[in-house]
Amino acid sequence: TQLLEQSPQFLSIQEGENLTVYCNSSSVFSSLQWYRQEPGEGPVLLVTVVTGGEVKKLKRLTFQFGDARKDSSLHITAAQPGDTGLYLCAGEGSNNDMRFGAGTRLTVKP
Amino acid sequence: NAGVTQTPKFQVLKTGQSMTLQCAQDMNHEYMSWYRQDPGMGLRLIHYSVGAGITDQGEVPNGYNVSRSTTEDFPLRLLSAAPSQTSVYFCASGRNYGYTFGSGTRLTVV
Repeated sequence: TQLLEQSPQFLSIQEGENLTVYCNSSSVFSSLQWYRQEPGEGPVLLVTVVTGGEVKKLKRLTFQFGDARKDSSLHITAAQPGDTGLYLCAGEGSNNDMRFGAGTRLTVKP
Repeated sequence: NAGVTQTPKFQVLKTGQSMTLQCAQDMNHEYMSWYRQDPGMGLRLIHYSVGAGITDQGEVPNGYNVSRSTTEDFPLRLLSAAPSQTSVYFCASGRNYGYTFGSGTRLTVV
């Protein structure tokens, strides 16, 4: 059982569409991070959210941390083929260990 | 370039063989960790370290040993490889405000 549940597991959309992926848990995290991973490479950090209710924007990507610091969402506006990849959320647990969700595999078709 | 260096990139082992996956970082990070990535399961934490001389178990520690004699290095040892350890292994350093990952080691146990 994953500590962090991500949904959907797979998402295939057309260029220009908007999308939201979710990261949910029953645990409270001191911080939550989102990463993107491309085939054959390690994950690359996109953003870290720390405060409950926090919203961060990175160009067309909007990240939100839930008020109770148990969940997060990633919204992409006007998706582009370059957004294709595996999106992973990760939260720091009570033992200072960082746990990851299973990921959302996004495909954006031209 | 600064970052996390993992070696080797690819390895094939026979069942029962032992080997060490190397990980080194030059960012003076206290926190380092090892993950394995299997299809559909995201990244699962094997072992982690919050500083030199300190290590702890993650979600899937069985069959793996680690040590942290210096801040820079965090090797992962497989004492007796099993086919279930076939996976892609990632080392990461950093802390709750963001991890830097290595490029991974693809290990096959036959």
